Amino acid sequence: VQLLESGGALAQPGGSLRLSCAVSGFTVSNSAMSWVRQAPGKGLEWISGLSAGGGSTDYADSVKGRFTISRDKSNNTLYLQMNSLRVEDSAVYYCAKRKKVVPSFDHWGQGTLVTVSS
Amino acid sequence: EIVLTQSPGTLSLSPGERATLSCTASQSVNSNYLAWYQQRPGQAPRLLIFAASSRATDIPDRFSGGGSGADFTLTISRLEPEDFAVYYCQVYDISRPGFSFGPGTKVDIK
Repeated sequence: VQLLESGGALAQPGGSLRLSCAVSGFTVSNSAMSWVRQAPGKGLEWISGLSAGGGSTDYADSVKGRFTISRDKSNNTLYLQMNSLRVEDSAVYYCAKRKKVVPSFDHWGQGTLVTVSS
Repeated sequence: EIVLTQSPGTLSLSPGERATLSCTASQSVNSNYLAWYQQRPGQAPRLLIFAASSRATDIPDRFSGGGSGADFTLTISRLEPEDFAVYYCQVYDISRPGFSFGPGTKVDIK
């Protein structure tokens, strides 16, 4: 099982970025997935989740209405579309695979850095 | 929203010593929804314990989890050099729905 994030970059406040998480060893469409971020020197913050199969999505209040989680079955990739970026969105963004039965994350990517600054 | 607090903030111990980390929830939680992670500097988090007391794959048996209701613990029976890291507890909040992490406990070398 491997997860590989990409797409992190320097962005301006109000700008947009799309993060990708290419997975191997399992099928992203059959797995519940999440994005978790970590601001520099800070703790972990769950920001978005996508259920297995059905496609139900959930968001933390801090990103609701600005970020969108999605997946592409054809290339086994998870995405996070980030709009209306704020300085406080600066963080390392991890994608994580949720365990099937109990709600915890058993596989994580290495993270991709997003910096929002003018 | 369930809020998690962790104590202590920092735990200074020597290799070979026992570490006991606490995680307290703002309300009673389903034990199946409580997990612990280890994060070493520059690395992604790693799942240690799920469902409060079940060790994840390839986790050494010196790590153990326990507790119920609103109070949970992670115990490292004998600290190895690679165990000096930050530890986070996490809960799934079915009412939101979503996940919350505690602020973390740093275990450093005394």
